[in-house]
Amino acid sequence: DGGITQSPKYLFRKEGQNVTLSCEQNLNHDAMYWYRQDPGQGLRLIYYSQIVNDFQKGDIAEGYSVSREKKESFPLTVTSAQKNPTAFYLCATGNGGWETQYFGPGTRLLVL
Amino acid sequence: QKEVEQNSGPLSVPEGAIASLNCTYSDRGSQSFFWYRQYSGKSPELIMFIYSNGDKEDGRFTAQLNKASQYVSLLIRDSQPSDSATYLCAVNDRGSTLGRLYFGRGTQLTVWP
Repeated sequence: DGGITQSPKYLFRKEGQNVTLSCEQNLNHDAMYWYRQDPGQGLRLIYYSQIVNDFQKGDIAEGYSVSREKKESFPLTVTSAQKNPTAFYLCATGNGGWETQYFGPGTRLLVL
Repeated sequence: QKEVEQNSGPLSVPEGAIASLNCTYSDRGSQSFFWYRQYSGKSPELIMFIYSNGDKEDGRFTAQLNKASQYVSLLIRDSQPSDSATYLCAVNDRGSTLGRLYFGRGTQLTVWP
């Protein structure tokens, strides 16, 4: 069964806690992306990566960190420095350049 | 920061009508353009992509691109209630080899029976 998986579907964060969102793909895509979506807003890019062990900051990277140790995986950590983390987080993959991006099902993060 | 603007909506059309969704972009060098559909609470799914000036048709959907006017549109013919969703326009960043896209805020479409 091919595709992009994100887990968990819902995540609750306590004050001062770091949480990690998982994104895995078996589409053999080179590039992976993390977006944040707030109600009534477009998608904002957090981080993106083309190859293993390399990634770039997007427009709203502050308070987030990522790693790319395997081609298939691009986890996102929401740190305690991110003061307003409540949002819908979307992982996408593609082959870069002009190519299409495909989205996973998303993780909804809520603050307790 | 590249700008992608969509007509704010919401857009409401009767079943069977043509829905027209519009998008303008600021980067004259952009080369690829995408339309995604997003149902409430779900992730975006690709509907159409277009690279060349003119029209591209896929079933009830037609994407239109005019690079000189920096304008891309999506027409939905014979609109159905199942087309009710938010439609996102996305444009590639010419300066990025990593396939970076810029997204508009989306236009909410409601098709009423």
